[in-house]
Amino acid sequence: GAVVSQHPSRVICKSGTSVKIECRSLDFQATTMFWYRQFPKQSLMLMATSNEGSKATYEQGVEKDKFLINHASLTLSTLTVTSAHPEDSSFYICSARGGQYQPQHFGDGTRLSIL
Amino acid sequence: AQKVTQAQTEISVVEKEDVTLDCVYETRDTTYYLFWYKQPPSGELVFLIRRNSFDEQNEISGRYSWNFQKSTSSFNFTITASQVVDSAVYFCALSEAITGNQFYFGTGTSLTVIP
Repeated sequence: GAVVSQHPSRVICKSGTSVKIECRSLDFQATTMFWYRQFPKQSLMLMATSNEGSKATYEQGVEKDKFLINHASLTLSTLTVTSAHPEDSSFYICSARGGQYQPQHFGDGTRLSIL
Repeated sequence: AQKVTQAQTEISVVEKEDVTLDCVYETRDTTYYLFWYKQPPSGELVFLIRRNSFDEQNEISGRYSWNFQKSTSSFNFTITASQVVDSAVYFCALSEAITGNQFYFGTGTSLTVIP
């Protein structure tokens, strides 16, 4: 089946650091990738949708300058949390889709902890 | 508006008991998909099922079964003869069928199976 790899799985860093998270589709070309955030004991909330080669579409309330998304190839999207602060600590999950009518496949998530 | 409600926040059952997780959804779309995902403590999302809105047949997969009732906008999930390994948070989700961009997740039900 379709595999989506997310790296790193866990990050602990100091406040003010920028953190990059990678999301790769390993065995299919992902025309669209999605980034979700999940706070403890809460549901997954869509942050942004990115299509290969174009700018990401951010959901209301998500700061595009804080959460930089790049989808430069059909197999890789990156999320950079710039100048991270403790309130950015969360579980970030990406998903990828091969085509308009294809299901989304989720990565294993990245647990980000900002000290 | 699209919305998924999982009224049961936490459920505890004793091993070998059957348990049903409720999911009620709201949508204006005539065509949509419903999903169930399992999220174990490690955090990754494990895909369990995707159901098209036109297919109201119930489905059974091993100890898992799903009951889709369009008349009540429900998509309930039953685990028969529960096991400790079933302990996890279970999410019900809805997406529109045409673009499948937006996933609407419920708030999740935390299931604990007691040995």
